[in-house]
Amino acid sequence: QTVVTQEPSFSVSPGGTVTLTCGLSSGSVSTGHYASWHQQTPGQAPRTLIRGTRTRSNGVPDRFSGSILGNQAALTITGAQADDESDYYCALFFSGIWVFGGGTKLTVL
Amino acid sequence: EVQLVESGGALVKPGGSLRLSCAASGLTLTDAWMNWVRQAPGKGLEWLGRIQSETDGGTTDYAASVKGRFTISRDDSQNTVYLQMNSLKTEDTGIYFCWGGIDYWGQGTLVAVSS
Repeated sequence: QTVVTQEPSFSVSPGGTVTLTCGLSSGSVSTGHYASWHQQTPGQAPRTLIRGTRTRSNGVPDRFSGSILGNQAALTITGAQADDESDYYCALFFSGIWVFGGGTKLTVL
Repeated sequence: EVQLVESGGALVKPGGSLRLSCAASGLTLTDAWMNWVRQAPGKGLEWLGRIQSETDGGTTDYAASVKGRFTISRDDSQNTVYLQMNSLKTEDTGIYFCWGGIDYWGQGTLVAVSS
């Protein structure tokens, strides 16, 4: 069974840079997994930030960037702002199905 | 502007059935892969299944947790995707989101399964 792993929580100072990662319990994440990243604040629907590993969705500020770091997908937030405090979910594509990670709760303080 | 609007959520008894709808505007569903995702109370996102675009064959795939109980279909004339849920269990309780073309999310509809 494929398990997608994410840090349960992370904190960053306002103006700082943070990198969240998305890995596999077994194996490496590649561009072939078309990693996507989604931001969700409590009580709201998710919002897609990144698709296809590194492409920003429409209207997403360029301080959000996606990449592959080593054997994981990564979401980097540069110049963190207070309203970046959210849950962040990655999703990986495996032969026709998507699997979400458990999410990372990001605190900005 | 793309909008996805889910509807059909309700309180239903275990073993019951429910059909959710996801109506799209600004996005032609025949050209998009459409997914259903749910979120149990206080939990993360769980992908349930998807239907390919018509141009890519229109096939469906499902997560193991719902395979055989849930069915995704599409009515192109209504630009709407459906999630038919049968043999519902208490653990199916949650908010159900429509997720289209990777970029677009609906606001969700609440399903509660309880006796």
